[in-house]
Amino acid sequence: AQSVAQPEDQVNVAEGNPLTVKCTYSVSGNPYLFWYVQYPNRGLQFLLKYITGDNLVKGSYGFEAEFNKSQTSFHLKKPSALVSDSALYFCAVHNFNKFYFGSGTKLNVKP
Amino acid sequence: NAGVTQTPKFRVLKTGQSMTLLCAQDMNHEYMYWYRQDPGMGLRLIHYSVGEGTTAKGEVPDGYNVSRLKKQNFLLGLESAAPSQTSVYFCASSYSVTGTFREQYFGPGTRLTVT
Repeated sequence: AQSVAQPEDQVNVAEGNPLTVKCTYSVSGNPYLFWYVQYPNRGLQFLLKYITGDNLVKGSYGFEAEFNKSQTSFHLKKPSALVSDSALYFCAVHNFNKFYFGSGTKLNVKP
Repeated sequence: NAGVTQTPKFRVLKTGQSMTLLCAQDMNHEYMYWYRQDPGMGLRLIHYSVGEGTTAKGEVPDGYNVSRLKKQNFLLGLESAAPSQTSVYFCASSYSVTGTFREQYFGPGTRLTVT
């Protein structure tokens, strides 16, 4: 069975500090991996994706993510958090025509 | 480009009533999806389509039907609404390039309440 796990419901970080939002997956084959962000009362917006190649991928708004095949992880990172980064973040895996989403992690960045 | 649009934005139904949610995309994407979002459960796939005239079941298809008669539209129907279908519904579209899937584009959502 395909699954995506985001082990933290909420992550709290101070503005200016680095942030990490964790994601692990369990799928067959070689998956495509994605991160999306959702602001209140809005649809999901694409941040970045890993298809193949370099394990460190860079995306929108200064976010990056590291693909680790041996640990089946795809953690989202940012060197310096902003208050405006506060939102709900979803990790997703694409496999066999379907996207599988994690349960989401709420990121709170405090001034 | 309007991207992905959803109609209506809000709806309140009584148990047993029926309704159709409309999703439209103007990006010529082959793939379209319907999800529901419930607190603490992320997005769950209801139905999806890999092309005009085709549909397939996702994780939670019971109580829903879909149709994709035109490439740009994907309709989600509730034949007899139940309180358990109270949720926020999102439509998304996607495409592939030389067989490689790309990211999804999401609509703004429809908030449905069934009383």
